[in-house]
Amino acid sequence: NAGVTQTPKFQVLKTGQSMTLQCAQDMNHEYMSWYRQDPGMGLRLIHYSVGAGITDQGEVPNGYNVSRSTTEDFPLRLLSAAPSQTSVYFCASSYWTDTGELFFGEGSRLTVL
Amino acid sequence: GQQLNQSPQSMFIQEGEDVSMNCTSSSIFNTWLWYKQEPGEGPVLLIALYKAGELTSNGRLTAQFGITRKDSFLNISASIPSDVGIYFCAGRKVRGSQGNLIFGKGTKLSVKP
Repeated sequence: NAGVTQTPKFQVLKTGQSMTLQCAQDMNHEYMSWYRQDPGMGLRLIHYSVGAGITDQGEVPNGYNVSRSTTEDFPLRLLSAAPSQTSVYFCASSYWTDTGELFFGEGSRLTVL
Repeated sequence: GQQLNQSPQSMFIQEGEDVSMNCTSSSIFNTWLWYKQEPGEGPVLLIALYKAGELTSNGRLTAQFGITRKDSFLNISASIPSDVGIYFCAGRKVRGSQGNLIFGKGTKLSVKP
């Protein structure tokens, strides 16, 4: 099993550009989420989904969009990138929707110039 | 927003030594989890705790859910070089809501052979 796969692993954007971070899981997990990790900070939740067609905001949702059309995929969209969105982004999934036991991807490092 | 206070921020120890780290909050949590992140990778779940007073082991790792529900502890016995990484605690206040999972800022562990 591939687990949780994130692409791309590295990306450099200019301010104002848009892009999509892809996340796919092959474990038939209902719960998927996006976190960002900044130096000296913990992981902060951006958006999450408890199933196809259902999404909700986390702690830091501004500037990001998500959708969940299938169980397997949960893309994160940056509509107009800002330098404050420079970070490492992690996608995580879980079979359960209420435990916190997450499987993380390897991360996508984004730099916004 | 809600914060978890994780300490120490970093530790430099000799191989073979035991390690202790903890996580505290001003609020009561119903779930405590401990994750480990190695360089360039996503966090991996080590131990999950669901009951106050619970003591759970995973090999050389032992974690406890504090009786007050406001803290959790992780101990590593007889450390080895592959224990190097960042250890994150995570807590959830309300069962049934993944949106309430909060991460600490991490404890960076360095092990000298």
